[in-house]
Amino acid sequence: SQKIEQNSEALNIQEGKTATLTCNYTNYSPAYLQWYRQDPGRGPVFLLLIRENEKEKRKERLKVTFDTTLKQSLFHITASQPADSATYLCAQANAGNNRKLIWGLGTSLAVNP
Amino acid sequence: GAGVSQSPSNKVTEKGKDVELRCDPISGHTALYWYRQSLGQGLEFLIYFQGNSAPDKSGLPSDRFSAERTGGSVSTLTIQRTQQEDSAVYLCASSPTIAGAGELFFGEGSRLTVL
Repeated sequence: SQKIEQNSEALNIQEGKTATLTCNYTNYSPAYLQWYRQDPGRGPVFLLLIRENEKEKRKERLKVTFDTTLKQSLFHITASQPADSATYLCAQANAGNNRKLIWGLGTSLAVNP
Repeated sequence: GAGVSQSPSNKVTEKGKDVELRCDPISGHTALYWYRQSLGQGLEFLIYFQGNSAPDKSGLPSDRFSAERTGGSVSTLTIQRTQQEDSAVYLCASSPTIAGAGELFFGEGSRLTVL
């Protein structure tokens, strides 16, 4: 079945460093991947979408890559700040219906001052 | 409103009772989704509404779950005869995009606890 995996272990980094989060998928090559941020007790907030024909997408301090050979997307936050601390979710289009997203469990990021 | 609004934000109920959860999507958004998020689980798709088309109910876990969307706007998710395993955060999202690949705008969720 279609599956998407994110690092389950929390990522702790020092302020100012680059955070890199990984999203791996199996059994299906999605047309696109989306990344969201979720704070405790809040709904997810959309960050970036990358399509299969795009290798890289940037938005301010955020960068997402999409490697269809490795079946992997990397999410980078440069010059990280404590305010970037949150859980980051990766989601891919469902094979049978691209309106339905398949979600990873998320990776918790803590940026220490 | 400025964003997706959900109510109630918290609901505690007894096993066997019915509950209704409400979602007000962003004005003009044609697509509306319900997801469920349980501790340690990813977001689970429940149902999708798109305009006047028949809803995609393929994610509803049992016939105790139903949802409707009136006038192409407000949606209500109803859970009948609640069970303890229904305890979760129920998230509503809307999107202005008809086709796939559109970003989802989520509400803050309704946290349901079934005792």
